Amino acid sequence: KQEVTQIPAALSVPEGENLVLNCSFTDSAIYNLQWFRQDPGKGLTSLLLIQSSQREQTSGRLNASLDKSSGRSTLYIAASQPGDSATYLCAVTSTNAGKSTFGDGTTLTVKP
Amino acid sequence: SAVISQKPSRDICQRGTSLTIQCQVDSQVTMMFWYRQQPGQSLTLIATANQGSEATYESGFVIDKFPISRPNLTFSTLTVSNMSPEDSSIYLCSVRGATTTDTQYFGPGTRLTVL
Repeated sequence: KQEVTQIPAALSVPEGENLVLNCSFTDSAIYNLQWFRQDPGKGLTSLLLIQSSQREQTSGRLNASLDKSSGRSTLYIAASQPGDSATYLCAVTSTNAGKSTFGDGTTLTVKP
Repeated sequence: SAVISQKPSRDICQRGTSLTIQCQVDSQVTMMFWYRQQPGQSLTLIATANQGSEATYESGFVIDKFPISRPNLTFSTLTVSNMSPEDSSIYLCSVRGATTTDTQYFGPGTRLTVL
């Protein structure tokens, strides 16, 4: 059974800092890994999707990497802004039925 | 990308009643999923609802409690039956396109409070 862990559970940084969020998974036989953002009381917004054959994906200030063999992914946020404050969730797809297993998330607070 | 709407956005219900949540997608999608997010927790998959087949439920979830319909490629409903306070959660509809490699998208969620 796939298990997904995210560290740290919470993170508080001053505006402008670069930061890294971590995601680890127990079964390396994955199809892809997706990073989401969730604002309080809202649904999930897709940030980046990394297929199992890829090493990284970039979108603006966000960069996600994948090391499938070690069961790890990182989400790098450059020059953080208060608007980046949210919970970031990592989801791993391990079956061809398209089902995902989610981590518990990292709650990020960026202070002005 | 897919744009997903859910109705209702929130509701407060009495114990023992049922609520049906609707999920509408702006494009045809094969894979549709229903998730539950209990207060302060991450997402738990309830079931997979692919059009043309019976919904597949995850361990701990049963059809009598969470009946699902998927009449076409753009619409689905989830009913929460005989509700108790423990059912108070956010219920989220999610879709993929035709394959597992497609991006997963989520609706805005339905916030359910059971008194």
